[in-house]
Amino acid sequence: AQSVTQLDSHVSVSEGTPVLLRCNYSSSYSPSLFWYVQHPNKGLQLLLKYTSAATLVKGINGFEAEFKKSETSFHLTKPSAHMSDAAEYFCVVSGKVGNQFYFGTGTSLTVIP
Amino acid sequence: DAGITQSPRHKVTETGTPVTLRCHQTENHRYMYWYRQDPGHGLRLIHYSYGVKDTDKGEVSDGYSVSRSKTEDFLLTLESATSSQTSVYFCAIGREAITYDSGNTIYFGEGSWLTVV
Repeated sequence: AQSVTQLDSHVSVSEGTPVLLRCNYSSSYSPSLFWYVQHPNKGLQLLLKYTSAATLVKGINGFEAEFKKSETSFHLTKPSAHMSDAAEYFCVVSGKVGNQFYFGTGTSLTVIP
Repeated sequence: DAGITQSPRHKVTETGTPVTLRCHQTENHRYMYWYRQDPGHGLRLIHYSYGVKDTDKGEVSDGYSVSRSKTEDFLLTLESATSSQTSVYFCAIGREAITYDSGNTIYFGEGSWLTVV
């Protein structure tokens, strides 16, 4: 069965410092992995997607994620946090059937000025 | 932008009344989904559709029904609204992979805030 664990429910960083949001997954096959961002009162927006190409994936707004199969991890990083990055972030893994998706419980990112 | 429009965006209704939420897409994708989002529960799948008149239940389908009579529209109906159905409802579409190894991707609408009083 597929599952996604976001290791931190809340993360606080100072503006200008690095961001690390952690995600581990469990899967019996090679899934697609995603990160989405949700700003208050908005829908979820795709940040980046990993399929089977490069293990380091670049997304929008300066975010990156690295797929590590040996660690079953897909952590999201950004070198320098901006106030506008404050939001909820969701790690998502695809199911064995292409139309299935499994969501983590989310990580709330606070950026301190 | 995946061309997804949800309506209404905000609604207050009374317990026991039926409510229908509409999701409209402009790109003719086969897969469409309805999720609800609640504090402490994250996103939970209510129903999904894989084509006109083809729908299936998700993990929290009790009290909800769906219909898809056209590719572009996916309706979610609360047959008799209850306070436990106060939530934010998100419609999503599944954009199918262009190549065999690129995988499907899910895109979300802006949400419908429903309050049942």
